[in-house]
Amino acid sequence: GENVEQHPSTLSVQEGDSAVIKCTYSDSASNYFPWYKQELGKRPQLIIDIRSNVGEKKDQRIAVTLNKTAKHFSLHITETQPEDSAVYFCAAAYTGGGNKLTFGTGTQLKVEL
Amino acid sequence: GAVVSQHPSRVICKSGTSVKIECRSLDFQATTMFWYRQFPKQSLMLMATSNEGSKATYEQGVEKDKFLINHASLTLSTLTVTSAHPEDSSFYICSASGTVLISNQPQHFGDGTRLSIL
Repeated sequence: GENVEQHPSTLSVQEGDSAVIKCTYSDSASNYFPWYKQELGKRPQLIIDIRSNVGEKKDQRIAVTLNKTAKHFSLHITETQPEDSAVYFCAAAYTGGGNKLTFGTGTQLKVEL
Repeated sequence: GAVVSQHPSRVICKSGTSVKIECRSLDFQATTMFWYRQFPKQSLMLMATSNEGSKATYEQGVEKDKFLINHASLTLSTLTVTSAHPEDSSFYICSASGTVLISNQPQHFGDGTRLSIL
């Protein structure tokens, strides 16, 4: 089955700095890679996703890059703000096989004033 | 679109009690529902996948007799934690998937249920 590794487990940045979170996956069949933001006691919220036919995607301060050959993808947050503080999860799925998501272990991002 | 409602949001009960959690897709037909468990400061771990009208498929290490899943309709799946014990205390989250992508996402999550067994 799919295995997703995520680093770092914790990340502390100063407000306005950039934050980068990296994930690797094992199953070359995976073709969908979402990133979720989860606040304490809440549901995971999709913030951005990328499909295997695209190498990069950007949405305002958030961007995701995908390297299919190396099987890794990264989340980039620029101009971080205190409200970006949360736990971020990457995930991988093969959308042609039941949409099962395999999650990474999570990154606790803390944006300090 | 793609609203998933999960109830209850919080349950506190005594050891030995059975607890039922409901997951409803409100505006789409969910052919597949997923149940996750999340311990504090950990990731979402898939417990089981249920397809409407079929028996659920459980992940390795998840006791099917302990965590009963029913998916009798295209809009409702239930998870029953039988004879719950303190070690079952966790955050349980459901998600639903339809026959086609909705909002271009394969899964839509409920708000989760915080289960606390005393």
